[in-house]
Amino acid sequence: DGGITQSPKYLFRKEGQNVTLSCEQNLNHDAMYWYRQDPGQGLRLIYYSQIVNDFQKGDIAEGYSVSREKKESFPLTVTSAQKNPTAFYLCASSISPGRQGGTDTQYFGPGTRLTVL
Amino acid sequence: QKEVEQNSGPLSVPEGAIASLNCTYSDRVSQSFFWYRQYSGKSPELIMSIYSNGDKEDGRFTAQLNKASQYVSLLIRDSQPSDSATYLCAVVTDSWGKFQFGAGTQVVVTP
Repeated sequence: DGGITQSPKYLFRKEGQNVTLSCEQNLNHDAMYWYRQDPGQGLRLIYYSQIVNDFQKGDIAEGYSVSREKKESFPLTVTSAQKNPTAFYLCASSISPGRQGGTDTQYFGPGTRLTVL
Repeated sequence: QKEVEQNSGPLSVPEGAIASLNCTYSDRVSQSFFWYRQYSGKSPELIMSIYSNGDKEDGRFTAQLNKASQYVSLLIRDSQPSDSATYLCAVVTDSWGKFQFGAGTQVVVTP
């Protein structure tokens, strides 16, 4: 089955702790994205990567870090510098961003719900 | 100022009726538009994309785009209880393909 997987489904973080959220895709998509969703709000872009070994900050990158060492994988680390990390984190991918006709369509993984204890 | 605006709802629709959802956007050069459905506690799933002015139909769903008026809408015909969800509008706002999401409209289909 082709798709996007995220793990874990639920994650609990203690104050001052870094945690890493996993995102893997076997769709052979070039681009991958991380979003954060808070209750009653739309999705906000944290980081994105258009190609392996390259990534850019989104709108709310402070307190987060990413890597893109493999095409299939785009892990997100929530650092202790992120003061309010409790949220639903969504990973997405697309064939090729910036081009119309369907290749810019983003598909989402099932999400990770992070709670700070 | 928000770039993509949606009525938050909830939009209450009788079963079998048509649900009409609207989305307005501020960037005149936007070229790609998407509707996603999100059930409570789940991730968004694509309903359809639209790129050209006019209507695009897919089953019970019709997307309508009017670039001159800067709005995109979604019609759900013969609404079913399983259509009860939050519907997210997404607009591509720059050349690399960045998505800007609206906050979503909650739809409740009542039997």
